[in-house]
Amino acid sequence: DVKVTQSSRYLVKRTGEKVFLECVQDMDHENMFWYRQDPGLGLRLIYFSYDVKMKEKGDIPEGYSVSREKKERFSLILESASTNQTSMYLCASSSRTPAGNEQFFGPGTRLTVL
Amino acid sequence: QKEVEQDPGPLSVPEGAIVSLNCTYSNSAFQYFMWYRQYSRKGPELLMYTYSSGNKEDGRFTAQVDKSSKYISLFIRDSQPSDSATYLCARGGYNKLIFGAGTRLAVHP
Repeated sequence: DVKVTQSSRYLVKRTGEKVFLECVQDMDHENMFWYRQDPGLGLRLIYFSYDVKMKEKGDIPEGYSVSREKKERFSLILESASTNQTSMYLCASSSRTPAGNEQFFGPGTRLTVL
Repeated sequence: QKEVEQDPGPLSVPEGAIVSLNCTYSNSAFQYFMWYRQYSRKGPELLMYTYSSGNKEDGRFTAQVDKSSKYISLFIRDSQPSDSATYLCARGGYNKLIFGAGTRLAVHP
């Protein structure tokens, strides 16, 4: 059974803390993605990576950074958490095709910043 | 204007009803369209995948793309309470997906 796992289901942090969200996939996929999901706004792409050590900004990269040192692992970093980063964070992976093929999602991390 | 527009609902229907979920998109250059289903407290899962125009059927679900009007539809026949979820449309291209906001559907017995 193919899987995308995320390090935490629920996380509570304080304003100004550095936050690490980790994602691991076991499908040998080239592409990995980080989204945030907010009511009424749907899924918004933060960053994606199409290869190890490669990254590209998505639609809302401000306040976030990412790291991809190994093919199976993609980390999202909030350098200094703020209350407006309270959200559901979803990681996904996909194989590399021109069409932007099926993405497989993890279960999500619900982050609350106090 | 968002690239993919979707009414967030919520939509509430009785069991057995036919459900129609719709999205519009603005960029006609792309030809891959998808519907994802997301149950509460879970990640989205691919439900249907279509290429270009036309219909695709899978059991009680039919996905339809009308490129002339830039319209994407998902029809659910004989809806069941287990269909209660958020449905997200997406268009694919350049290794990325652009999602609609998602429509929350509730099917009550």
